Amino acid sequence: KQEVTQIPAALSVPEGENLVLNCSFTDSAIYNLQWFRQDPGKGLTSLLLIQSSQREQTSGRLNASLDKSSGRSTLYIAASQPGDSATYLCASIMIKAAGNKLTFGGGTRVLVKP
Amino acid sequence: DGGITQSPKYLFRKEGQNVTLSCEQNLNHDAMYWYRQDPGQGLRLIYYSQIVNDFQKGDIAEGYSVSREKKESFPLTVTSAQKNPTVFYLCASSPQGPNTEAFFGQGTRLTVV
Repeated sequence: KQEVTQIPAALSVPEGENLVLNCSFTDSAIYNLQWFRQDPGKGLTSLLLIQSSQREQTSGRLNASLDKSSGRSTLYIAASQPGDSATYLCASIMIKAAGNKLTFGGGTRVLVKP
Repeated sequence: DGGITQSPKYLFRKEGQNVTLSCEQNLNHDAMYWYRQDPGQGLRLIYYSQIVNDFQKGDIAEGYSVSREKKESFPLTVTSAQKNPTVFYLCASSPQGPNTEAFFGQGTRLTVV
């Protein structure tokens, strides 16, 4: 059974510092990996999808890498801003006979202090 | 605008009462999912569907039922067997194929009164 872990569970940084968020998974036979952002009381917003054939994906200040062999993905957020404060979740995506299955990590709660 | 819509945003039910949560998408996605999120816990899969008239149990299906009569709609019924006082439910959809990017609705918070 796939298990996804995100450490640390919470992170606090001063504005302007770069953020590094970690995601590890036990079964390397993933199809894709996706990063999300969640604001309090809201749904999940998709940030980046890394397909299995890719090693990284970039969008603006966000960069996510994927190393399937070591079971790790990392989300980098450059020059953090107070508006980046949120919970960040990663999800591994595996293809099963019954369809795609997403398995989520517990999330990292980020606070960017002005 | 394309997207996925959950309604209502807040829902209250009495003990012993069944309620149905709505999830609609106009993204033309084949797959749809229901998750619950409890405080301090990650998302747990309740049910998912890859095609109309077919759905599969997730990790915590007991106390729930679903239907998939239309591609756009995947309603979730919470039965009276569910005892938790407040739960946040999230619906998602994704396409088939290599681009499996999932999109989520804004959630429904269900409270037992």
